[in-house]
This record gives sequence, structure tokens and C-alpha cells, in this order.
Amino acid sequence: NAGVMQNPRHLVRRRGQEARLRCSPMKGHSHVYWYRQLPEEGLKFMVYLQKENIIDESGMPKERFSAEFPKEGPSILRIQQVVRGDSAAYFCASSPQGWTETQYFGPGTRLLVL
Amino acid sequence: DAKTTQPTSMDCAEGRAANLPCNHSTISGNEYVYWYRQIHSQGPQYIIHGLKNNETNEMASLIITEDRKSSTLILPHATLRDTAVYYCIASPLGQGGKLIFGQGTELSVKP
Repeated sequence: NAGVMQNPRHLVRRRGQEARLRCSPMKGHSHVYWYRQLPEEGLKFMVYLQKENIIDESGMPKERFSAEFPKEGPSILRIQQVVRGDSAAYFCASSPQGWTETQYFGPGTRLLVL
Repeated sequence: DAKTTQPTSMDCAEGRAANLPCNHSTISGNEYVYWYRQIHSQGPQYIIHGLKNNETNEMASLIITEDRKSSTLILPHATLRDTAVYYCIASPLGQGGKLIFGQGTELSVKP
């Protein structure tokens, strides 16, 4: 059973461009979570999604950031008009439907904004 | 979610048991204790979780005090590959939602 997959693993963008980060959850998992880790800082929750629904976006910056988890395909974290402060590691986690909610993390996408 | 307190760093000799403590004195009845680790900026790796009883799996053992105000993660025979930041998190199970990561304990396993 493949684990959580994220792509790209590394992404370089210039200020003002858009960044799209993809996350494919583990097979059978319908819950996806996004976390951000700024350089030399801890992991911070951003958003929790189920298929076609945003459940908790309390950690998402109010502007430029959006997330979706469509019925088909991976979850997408989209950052519009990136700034240097967006440079960070973005981790996706997934958990199975049902009672067990242990989250399993992917390898992350390292975003560098020049 | 209950706040957890962990030592900033610990050392352990290779082959010895590593005992990582965690205080969670404000934990509520429906909150589980989770342990994750992050090896050199990789994605966090799930280790173990428990509610009241001690738990053991192929990676580690989790000892939770009877009053549930603290716990200890035990790596029975630490190897160099266990060098990582270890996070103790209290979170309600079965309700989904965010994990709140603190600063964790940086464990260094030395030869």
C-alpha cells in the first residue's frame, strides 16, 4: 500500500507567481490535512478537507491561499502571488474514513520563492 | 487540545533504551496521546498512540501514568537512525481535525 504522495517534492517560484502543490492520500483515505513548516519552526496546521468539502480552514492565511479535494484526483493547495515568506515545507497527511483518525504524512513539498 | 511539555533535547547511547518524557497535565478525558517523529525535515512519522493503557508496537512502547498527566515513549534499543525530533501531541480521536505540534524533543543517538 503506497503511502501519502506529494508532488512536486521541490518547487521554485518567483515572487508573484502561482504555486500548486498536490497530495494523493493513501488508498482508502478520504480525509486530507495540510501543514506548513517555516524554516527553523514547528509544523502548523493549515486546513482539513474531506472529499469535496473543507472541514476546518482555521490555519489558512486569509488571502492568496486556497485548498481543494475534488471527488476525483489529488488534493491541491494553491498559493497565488507567492511572496518570499511563503518559502517553507508543506506537508500533507491523510487519515482513513471511520473511527480511526491517525494521520499519516507525506514527504512534503519544499517551496522556495525567489 | 491539551498543551504538552517536552524537554528540548536528549542524548542516548546507541543500543540503549531511549525514554522520552511528556507532560500533559491538562489533558481531557477524550484526548489520546500521540507520538510522531520527524527525521531531518522529512515528513512526520507516526509512532504510537494511546488513551489510558500502556501500548506497544514494533517501533516503541508508550507508558501513560494512571492520572494521565504524563507519559513516556520508550525506544527499546535506540539506533543512529532514531535520531530525530519527537513530538508528543494530545488530540481527540475519532473527531478528525488538526494536530498541534509543539517544539518536540530533539533526540541524538550517539555511537
